[in-house]
Amino acid sequence: ETGVTQSPTHLIKTRGQQVTLRCSSQSGHNTVSWYQQALGQGPQFIFQYYREEENGRGNFPPRFSGLQFPNYSSELNVNALELDDSALYLCASSTRDRTEAFFGQGTRLTVV
Amino acid sequence: GQQLNQSPQSMFIQEGEDVSMNCTSSSIFNTWLWYKQDPGEGPVLLIALYKAGELTSNGRLTAQFGITRKDSFLNISASIPSDVGIYFCAGQNPNDYKLSFGAGTTVTVRA
Repeated sequence: ETGVTQSPTHLIKTRGQQVTLRCSSQSGHNTVSWYQQALGQGPQFIFQYYREEENGRGNFPPRFSGLQFPNYSSELNVNALELDDSALYLCASSTRDRTEAFFGQGTRLTVV
Repeated sequence: GQQLNQSPQSMFIQEGEDVSMNCTSSSIFNTWLWYKQDPGEGPVLLIALYKAGELTSNGRLTAQFGITRKDSFLNISASIPSDVGIYFCAGQNPNDYKLSFGAGTTVTVRA
């Protein structure tokens, strides 16, 4: 059974640029959630995808968008990057009927 | 949004000691989860709780779902050096699939 994998592991971008982060869900999981974790804080919910549609969104602006593909993998896209977007971005997968979410190792994004 | 207050914020403990941390919320949850995060890694699920009053163990870890559904506790018995890390509580509301996280408890073990 493969776990949740994310790519890339680290990324440096310039303010104003766009970024795409990728996530492969754990085998058998059909739901993917994305979280932003700033240094010294707990993860904050960005949004969740189920059946290729956004299914719930946290307090993040529209420049944060996502996709889910038929194989349940997912992308997080962030446009017009700001310095405050620097954080660890975590992907978590789960099944629809179970609460337990399993996290990937995260992508460390630095915006300069 | 929900406020989860996790305490203590950090703790230094002697190897072999028992550790307790807790999490309180301003609103009720129908599920409580406890995660551990090591530096540079994603959170790893330790224990999941689904019923008020439930007490669940996973090795040296024991967690409880508070009767009011607004709090949860995690205990680590006989701590060892690999218990070092940041422990997060997370709660889920009824009819809401997102997890709300506390700010974490940082545990450092002195050998």
